Amino acid sequence: AQSVTQLGSHVSVSEGALVLLRCNYSSSVPPYLFWYVQYPNQGLQLLLKYTSAATLVKGINGFEAEFKKSETSFHLTKPSAHMSDAAEYFCAVSKGRSGGSNYKLTFGKGTLLTVNP
Amino acid sequence: DTEVTQTPKHLVMGMTNKKSLKCEQHMGHRAMYWYKQKAKKPPELMFVYSYEKLSINESVPSRFSPECPNSSLLNLHLHALQPEDSALYLCASSQPYQNREAFFGQGTRLTVV
Repeated sequence: AQSVTQLGSHVSVSEGALVLLRCNYSSSVPPYLFWYVQYPNQGLQLLLKYTSAATLVKGINGFEAEFKKSETSFHLTKPSAHMSDAAEYFCAVSKGRSGGSNYKLTFGKGTLLTVNP
Repeated sequence: DTEVTQTPKHLVMGMTNKKSLKCEQHMGHRAMYWYKQKAKKPPELMFVYSYEKLSINESVPSRFSPECPNSSLLNLHLHALQPEDSALYLCASSQPYQNREAFFGQGTRLTVV
């Protein structure tokens, strides 16, 4: 079964510092992986996705993630944190029946990012 | 237009009330979803509609009743809810392929009193 594990429920960084949010997946086949961000009392917004086209994926707001099969990881990074990056971040995997049309996103537990001035 | 619109944004209802949550998208997506999110938790899938047919029901209690009148609309009918059903209810849509991202609405904050 495909699932994702986010290491660290809370990450705190200083403004301008590197952001690193960890996500590991468990899968016997190449997964389809996503990072979403959720600001307080809002819905989820897609940051980026991995669909096997390229291992380094660039997303919105300066975020990127690298798919590493050898480490079963898809960590999210941003070189320089901004106050506006403070939010909850979710890693997700698309799960479904091969050949079918019933797919669903299953989320990790989330990582709360706080940015200190 | 990449928006998923949910109404209402906030809803307070008694345990004997009947209410409905509405969701609309105009992206031509053929899969639509209802998720429930409790505070400080990830979204949990409730239902999936694919080509207007219910394809996944994650063992949700019958007091929640989904409906997909057409490819753009998704409703969630609520009846005899419990206080523990209070949560943020998120609607999402996507193309029904595994590599396609889901677009989420802003959610309905439901409080059951």
